[in-house]
Amino acid sequence: GDSVTQMEGPVTLSEEAFLTINCTYTATGYPSLFWYVQCPGEGLQLLLKATKADDKGSNKGFEATYRKETTSFHLEKGSVQVSDSAVYFCALSDQYGQNFVFGPGTRLSVLP
Amino acid sequence: NAGVTQTPKFRILKIGQSMTLQCTQDMNHNYMYWYRQDPGMGLKLIYYSVGAGITDKGEVPNGYNVSRSTTEDFPLRLELAAPSQTSVYFCASSYRTDYEQYFGPGTRLTVT
Repeated sequence: GDSVTQMEGPVTLSEEAFLTINCTYTATGYPSLFWYVQCPGEGLQLLLKATKADDKGSNKGFEATYRKETTSFHLEKGSVQVSDSAVYFCALSDQYGQNFVFGPGTRLSVLP
Repeated sequence: NAGVTQTPKFRILKIGQSMTLQCTQDMNHNYMYWYRQDPGMGLKLIYYSVGAGITDKGEVPNGYNVSRSTTEDFPLRLELAAPSQTSVYFCASSYRTDYEQYFGPGTRLTVT
């Protein structure tokens, strides 16, 4: 079945460091891919998405590129801030609209 | 627009009690979902609905029931609460399954 794998956390970085959170997926066909962010005590919010191969999603300085050949959708940011501390979830929706799968989440802590 | 609203925000139940978690969305979305999130873990799908009158089981449906009499409302019923149901419950909705899901703020449930 469809699945999403993320790098284990927690990830701890200093402010202004470069961020990469790896995400790989298993799915048939051409799923849509998403990154969600969850701040403490809140629900998930969509951060960015990509719906076809080679698409790049971007928002608030975060980017992720849909790589069909490596089945990956890694999240990157060039310079993290303390306010980026949160849990990040990679997710996919299959092309048939029948399955939406979340990864286990990666906790990011950014220190001043 | 209020988006997705959930009530209550917090609840403590005794073992064997029952309750209904309310979820309402005002975006006219056909698709609605219930997830649970255990501490430090990802999301697990409990039930979902593709439209009024249509519901289906997700990954962890045991101990729960749902109904969908209107497009807006998707209540989750817990019968005979057990400590294993202590969790944070999130409701979400989407226009299509390959579109982003909008999440409510969650209900934190403790069963003692």
